[in-house]
Amino acid sequence: GESVGLHLPTLSVQEGDNSIINCAYSNSASDYFIWYKQESGKGPQFIIDIRSNMDKRQGQRVTVLLNKTVKHLSLQIAATQPGDSAVYFCAENNYGQNFVFGPGTRLSVLP
Amino acid sequence: KAGVTQTPRYLIKTRGQQVTLSCSPISGHRSVSWYQQTPGQGLQFLFEYFSETQRNKGNFPGRFSGRQFSNSRSEMNVSTLELGDSALYLCASSLEWTGTYEQYFGPGTRLTVT
Repeated sequence: GESVGLHLPTLSVQEGDNSIINCAYSNSASDYFIWYKQESGKGPQFIIDIRSNMDKRQGQRVTVLLNKTVKHLSLQIAATQPGDSAVYFCAENNYGQNFVFGPGTRLSVLP
Repeated sequence: KAGVTQTPRYLIKTRGQQVTLSCSPISGHRSVSWYQQTPGQGLQFLFEYFSETQRNKGNFPGRFSGRQFSNSRSEMNVSTLELGDSALYLCASSLEWTGTYEQYFGPGTRLTVT
């Protein structure tokens, strides 16, 4: 499969533990954010989004936190499973302009 | 509902040639964006088309071009290929911007330039 990033930061977690993936975004004017999951050989898959007028949003097993003061976004995955192993990207958007993607974090789930 | 489809999935070209990649968005989606993904540079925005018009453009040379048809299908073209153009080219589609912009990706076209 495609090697998404040769030198990505890697987070290793035990199966069943919670994972927290962090992202620092660049544009203080960005008002919309998405987290994507990319598995080897596949395109990025939409996980969850959040608008800048919110600081937290929950989905199924995932929570996104937004701290606009320090331009920081995090993705929390509860009860991490082997199928969660992938590269995770955050993406920011400024009022419908193009998305800017972060470098990605590789999540490795240990049995 | 079918997802975003891209053809071909794999391509091998030689330097100096040109290539055309195709993307069919999710039914009803009028915006199509193209990205280049490489291990060194990550995901980089190429351009976005909406209703057959290029709405946004990234920082790529003029060798990279695109177009969108009335049925929202899009093509991108790379002329005078260089070795550095080897990458995964991703297409993403979305509805019109309304404050949120859920963008869905296709599987990509893996281009290898030799």
